[in-house]
Amino acid sequence: ETGVTQTPRHLVMGMTNKKSLKCEQHLGHNAMYWYKQSAKKPLELMFVYSLEERVENNSVPSRFSPECPNSSHLFLHLHTLQPEDSALYLCASSQRGEGTEAFFGQGTRLTVV
Amino acid sequence: GQQLNQSPQSMFIQEGEDVSMNCTSSSIFNTWLWYKQDPGEGPVLLIALYKAGELTSNGRLTAQFGITRKDSFLNISASIPSDVGIYFCAGKIYGGSQGNLIFGKGTKLSVKP
Repeated sequence: ETGVTQTPRHLVMGMTNKKSLKCEQHLGHNAMYWYKQSAKKPLELMFVYSLEERVENNSVPSRFSPECPNSSHLFLHLHTLQPEDSALYLCASSQRGEGTEAFFGQGTRLTVV
Repeated sequence: GQQLNQSPQSMFIQEGEDVSMNCTSSSIFNTWLWYKQDPGEGPVLLIALYKAGELTSNGRLTAQFGITRKDSFLNISASIPSDVGIYFCAGKIYGGSQGNLIFGKGTKLSVKP
């Protein structure tokens, strides 16, 4: 248990569906992140939220829409995804600033059919 | 973009053997982190390093922050079957976006009993 909880753990969705991934952290951190992990690729940073404001969007397609309603919760809204979007989506949190570590959730395994 | 070169890509070892893996970069880092990821799970933080030359242990694991600040290594002594997994290095570049980690591609460790 790392203090970062992601739901659901597994999700299968069609290309026309709309779904949301949820992340909750209980560590008192002020920054949250979405990462994508595909086979044989390094972890790809998607979005960064600091103090509930989006501070980075790494050229992610608009079919991925993040939402951070407060410092403990982070969502990733999904719509009209493509099969190549199938991956493990990881949420992480940290304290912004130097010398801090990121703690990850268990991930959501997403399959787009 | 910035890259971390992690090697080896995979290792097959006998139980009881020692393991060594490393990460290098052309950029200067001010933080090095080592994570382990089990199949279908999120990465779990093993060791965090913040100072050049720092040597830190966590049980059978030892990691060092290279004095050039461009590399780090992780050693595992007397490996056991539960050490199986993918090990990732991650770092924060000196002067880079605060809180943004760069990840290596991982070292997949297999241990034969």
